[in-house]
Amino acid sequence: DVKVTQSSRYLVKRTGEKVFLECVQDMDHENMFWYRQDPGLGLRLIYFSYDVKMKEKGDIPEGYSVSREKKERFSLILESASTNQTSMYLCASALTGTQYGYTFGSGTRLTVV
Amino acid sequence: AQKITQTQPGMFVQEKEAVTLDCTYDTSDPSYGLFWYKQPSSGEMIFLIYQGSYDQQNATEGRYSLNFQKARKSANLVISASQLGDSAMYFCAMREPSNDYKLSFGAGTTVTVRA
Repeated sequence: DVKVTQSSRYLVKRTGEKVFLECVQDMDHENMFWYRQDPGLGLRLIYFSYDVKMKEKGDIPEGYSVSREKKERFSLILESASTNQTSMYLCASALTGTQYGYTFGSGTRLTVV
Repeated sequence: AQKITQTQPGMFVQEKEAVTLDCTYDTSDPSYGLFWYKQPSSGEMIFLIYQGSYDQQNATEGRYSLNFQKARKSANLVISASQLGDSAMYFCAMREPSNDYKLSFGAGTTVTVRA
């Protein structure tokens, strides 16, 4: 069964910590995405990647960075976690084309205290 | 401008009845894809159904069907014979070349199925 795996389901971190959220897909998809989801704000794109070592800013990149050293893995990095980064983080992957939807991971609920 | 508009923040439906979730979209691309996702309280996003812009027939997947009205730029999801497990948030989304093939999501509609 093809899937996208996020390393943690729940995570609690302290303010100022460097946080790594890992995402791995086994579908050989070239595109990978990181979203955050907050009540009333919907899904907001943080970063995406079209290929290995490629990255593009989404709508809300501030306070985040990403890394894609291998095709199957896309990491989201919070350089210095803050309480306003408490959120649900969703990773997704997809092939290129209007006929392909995204496959999502199960999400990581991050709480920064 | 919003690319995907879902005007119903929340809906209640009786078990075994049908429910229609509204979605309108905005694009100038001739080729695009429309998707519906379900997000239960657990948080995962589950793909439900896809409609291509050139598809002549409305898409169906089990109890889900998509009422595609291209001229009106409408892609409503119909869930037939609602079940308690259908209680979730539902997102309409569009993928288009002019947006670098990124998915644009609507704000979502919360469906609550009553026994």
